[in-house]
Amino acid sequence: AQKVTQAQTEISVVEKEDVTLDCVYETRDTTYYLFWYKQPPSGELVFLIRRNSFDEQNEISGRYSWNFQKSTSSFNFTITASQVVDSAVYFCAFKRGGSYIPTFGRGTSLIVHP
Amino acid sequence: DTGVSQDPRHKITKRGQNVTFRCDPISEHNRLYWYRQTLGQGPEFLTYFQNEAQLEKSRLLSDRFSAERPKGSFSTLEIQRTEQGDSAMYLCASSPPGTTTDTQYFGPGTRLTVL
Repeated sequence: AQKVTQAQTEISVVEKEDVTLDCVYETRDTTYYLFWYKQPPSGELVFLIRRNSFDEQNEISGRYSWNFQKSTSSFNFTITASQVVDSAVYFCAFKRGGSYIPTFGRGTSLIVHP
Repeated sequence: DTGVSQDPRHKITKRGQNVTFRCDPISEHNRLYWYRQTLGQGPEFLTYFQNEAQLEKSRLLSDRFSAERPKGSFSTLEIQRTEQGDSAMYLCASSPPGTTTDTQYFGPGTRLTVL
């Protein structure tokens, strides 16, 4: 069975600090997809990124960057120069190839203090 | 706005009552999903529709839960004889026609409190 672990329950930083959210997954599948979602206090999950298992290139989008390493089964998310608006719960999710149903981690609550 | 919408946003009910939630997916999205999220947890899959067909159901979906999508557009999730353990956020998501690579887009959720 697949498993997604977000070991950090809560992270607290001061604005402008860089922060990395960890995500480790377990699977025997060769084809799979990894996701990050942001859930602000309003409750709606906002899609951030999707990667497939055949593409280990890191990705950068503004202040956000993602590091996918199959060797360590990790898909970590870094926010550079954090801002108060980044405060939210961030979820990592895994989906097997051929399935429509993702498995979510328990989430990491990020609190950015001004 | 053409995002996923859910109604109501909040529902407070007494134990034993029935409740029904509605989800309107993004236009032309033929796949619709229901999830339950409890405090401190990630969303847990409940059920999945492709058009009007309910293709997958989780073991979490007990016989008190029923979901429908009669015309392949909006969907309803009904909980009969609610229990305090049903208190949670119920999330709906949709995805467009295509392969399993497609990303799901979530609605704002319905927060259920069972007293």
